[in-house]
Amino acid sequence: NAGVTQTPKFQVLKTGQSMTLQCAQDMNHNSMYWYRQDPGMGLRLIYYSASEGTTDKGEVPNGYNVSRLNKREFSLRLESAAPSQTSVYFCASSESRGIRNQPQHFGDGTRLSIL
Amino acid sequence: AQSVSQHNHHVILSEAASLELGCNYSYGGTVNLFWYVQYPGQHLQLLLKYFSGDPLVKGIKGFEAEFIKSKFSFNLRKPSVQWSDTAEYFCAVEGNYQLIWGAGTKLIIKP
Repeated sequence: NAGVTQTPKFQVLKTGQSMTLQCAQDMNHNSMYWYRQDPGMGLRLIYYSASEGTTDKGEVPNGYNVSRLNKREFSLRLESAAPSQTSVYFCASSESRGIRNQPQHFGDGTRLSIL
Repeated sequence: AQSVSQHNHHVILSEAASLELGCNYSYGGTVNLFWYVQYPGQHLQLLLKYFSGDPLVKGIKGFEAEFIKSKFSFNLRKPSVQWSDTAEYFCAVEGNYQLIWGAGTKLIIKP
């Protein structure tokens, strides 16, 4: 049981390049999330998908797009990378958003550096 | 706006010392409270959670936390830390379907 799997684990991009971070979960969870983690700031929600077929903006959505491809997969796309997007990105999933007793499960993270 | 404050960004303790990490939140409604831990090189893991009932909750690896509603606090405690507790600890508060995270506390245990 792999849980939440993120690819790639590391990536270096040049300013202006685009890339997609992939996330898949095998726990049959309805809700999925993308966070970024920056030093001294904790985790900030970029986008989330409460259920298959829906996506919504989180706290810091600018510069990102997401796709909930199916129930398992939730990708995050940077169309034109900027140095301010250098961060560690975490994907998470939970059985349902906002339902008690449903904590989030996290992937291992993607370290992204934008030069 | 909701916010979560973790008082210490870095804590250094010796093995067998007692630990208390502070977490305060600002939200007036019903909340769910979590502590997550991130060991070096690993992903975030749930340490413990509070939804209702007994305000003293016990988690994995000997950790516990106490919810004090009047103080809007959910402090994490462990009576005697081990070197393997070296990690970063995050407090998170869920209210109104939003999960808000504290900035984290890096805990270093000296052997």
